[in-house]
Amino acid sequence: GIQVEQSPPDLILQEGANSTLRCNFSDSVNNLQWFHQNPWGQLINLFYIPSGTKQNGRLSATTVATERYSLLYISSSQTTDSGVYFCASAGGTSYGKLTFGQGTILTVHP
Amino acid sequence: GAGVSQSPRYKVAKRGQDVALRCDPISGHVSLFWYQQALGQGPEFLTYFQNEAQLDKSGLPSDRFFAERPEGSVSTLKIQRTQQEDSAVYLCASSFFRAAVYEQYFGPGTRLTVT
Repeated sequence: GIQVEQSPPDLILQEGANSTLRCNFSDSVNNLQWFHQNPWGQLINLFYIPSGTKQNGRLSATTVATERYSLLYISSSQTTDSGVYFCASAGGTSYGKLTFGQGTILTVHP
Repeated sequence: GAGVSQSPRYKVAKRGQDVALRCDPISGHVSLFWYQQALGQGPEFLTYFQNEAQLDKSGLPSDRFFAERPEGSVSTLKIQRTQQEDSAVYLCASSFFRAAVYEQYFGPGTRLTVT
């Protein structure tokens, strides 16, 4: 099945800094999602982005499907951005079963 | 509208007990998924339903795990004779499954601890 790798595994920032999280996937995909898992364990949808570029406030994402990677950009980070960021992709099935990466643990200090 | 809901949020079971975890998907969502998340790991696929049909159960770790969705809405994941290695967060997700769009929405999870 498809494999998903995320980098870096850990990231520590000062409030206000910018960051880029990367997700590599091993095959063509029909679904690519970025999630933020908050301290209570809830997976919050950030982007549904199997290809192209999207922006939502301080967050943006780009997926280059032909090169099998996706990037999540966080600008002007805030302490509330802390948590685990997951990339998940799906390919090879008709219904979008997700394979998750190991996540990036982001810590933003005030 | 309402999101995916799961109950109970926390469950403590003694080894050998049976447990049942419930998922209420977003109204109208055809697809329903169960995932298992071990501590410090990303979620891993367990099983998939399209309406009431269980089309993929390749991720279920053993025959002690059983899932159903009899009326194509609410789903129950049952674990028989729980073992300590079953301790994890169990996540449910649903998707509208319209053509070429597969975005999944997750519930808050059920944290199962087997003692």
